[in-house]
Amino acid sequence: KNEVEQSPQNLTAQEGEFITINCSYSVGISALHWLQQHPGGGIVSLFMLSSGKKKHGRLIATINIQEKHSSLHITASHPRDSAVYICAAPNSGGYQKVTFGTGTKLQVIP
Amino acid sequence: DAGVIQSPRHEVTEMGQEVTLRCKPISGHNSLFWYRQTMMRGLELLIYFNNNVPIDDSGMPEDRFSAKMPNASFSTLKIQPSEPRDSAVYFCASSLWKTGAGELFFGEGSRLTVL
Repeated sequence: KNEVEQSPQNLTAQEGEFITINCSYSVGISALHWLQQHPGGGIVSLFMLSSGKKKHGRLIATINIQEKHSSLHITASHPRDSAVYICAAPNSGGYQKVTFGTGTKLQVIP
Repeated sequence: DAGVIQSPRHEVTEMGQEVTLRCKPISGHNSLFWYRQTMMRGLELLIYFNNNVPIDDSGMPEDRFSAKMPNASFSTLKIQPSEPRDSAVYFCASSLWKTGAGELFFGEGSRLTVL
């Protein structure tokens, strides 16, 4: 089983701040998922990445396979970014059984 | 595409009753996952299917839980008999699996309360 750790667990930011959420995993993987969950809401896939960097709007995800580490960045944060961000890593490279991190609860204050 | 569709969105039942949760995956996806989310344990994989075949059900907590996927467009998760500790949000997700894992697309979830 892949051990997945996220930090920080909770994060409060002022609107406009640059935000970084970190994810470390123990087993080498082929791809890592970043998910977003709004309070009481469903889960949305933000990124699935296997190398380098991906960007979507104000969101940027990076991964370093050698260091077994990924980061999710939010530029120019906005209150609507307030949500729980979850990373998930497969238990073995290429497989579909993922282990989820405990999530980072982000609150962006106007 | 309408996305992954789950029903019911909310279910309140009494202990001992049978509960059936339903899921329609995204058309064309060949993998389907059932997850459970609780405050204590976070998100956990219960079972997943590839091409309608159960691949790994090691996350199913007990024999009271069963899941089926009779065809590519429908799956059920059944709990019989239900217990208060089964109260959770149950998510269904689908993906397109080729040579590796595909991006996960989640349904809105079914919030189950067992009294």
